[in-house]
Amino acid sequence: EAGVAQSPRYKIIEKRQSVAFWCNPISGHATLYWYQQILGQGPKLLIQFQNNGVVDDSQLPKDRFSAERLKGVDSTLKIQPAKLEDSAVYLCASSRRLAGGTSTDTQYFGPGTRLTVL
Amino acid sequence: EDKVVQSPLSLVVHEGDTVTLNCSYEVTNFRSLLWYKQEKKAPTFLFMLTSSGIEKKSGRLSSILDKKELFSILNITATQTGDSAVYLCAVSTGTASKLTFGTGTRLQVTL
Repeated sequence: EAGVAQSPRYKIIEKRQSVAFWCNPISGHATLYWYQQILGQGPKLLIQFQNNGVVDDSQLPKDRFSAERLKGVDSTLKIQPAKLEDSAVYLCASSRRLAGGTSTDTQYFGPGTRLTVL
Repeated sequence: EDKVVQSPLSLVVHEGDTVTLNCSYEVTNFRSLLWYKQEKKAPTFLFMLTSSGIEKKSGRLSSILDKKELFSILNITATQTGDSAVYLCAVSTGTASKLTFGTGTRLQVTL
């Protein structure tokens, strides 16, 4: 079974530029998550999708960050414009949906995109 | 606000030593506690714990949860250099299975 795919793996941009990250979850996983992991910290949830609907985006800085999962499969996270403090690893994860509609607790992570903002 | 605290923040041991990593939590609507290993890439799943007092074991790694005292430990026996990594503890809460992570424990195993 293929794992969670992410691209690009690395990105260097200047502040005020825009950047986009792509994620393809494990086949059949209905729930998709985007996390931000700043150096020395644990991952912090930015947004959670169930199929193509947003479940939780309470920690997403909506003035500059946006995310979509239009067809309920792959997803894109965008930052526009980027700030120095956005330098981090952006992790995508996915999990299965149970028969009752909730997600399993076990999330499987992709390799991440390391973003450096200069 | 949900909170997960791990200790120690970092640890250096010699190969063959046994280590214990700690995770305490204060959350609302607890579902489960998970341990992940993170090397220079994606966190990889180790264990999920939902019931108190039941040890989960995988090779040299084991973990147990205490839901009364709100903590979990991860034990690694006979450590090897390949165990060097950051170990992340996360707690799942609510119907949406939201994960809140601790800052991790960085383990370095030396020869």
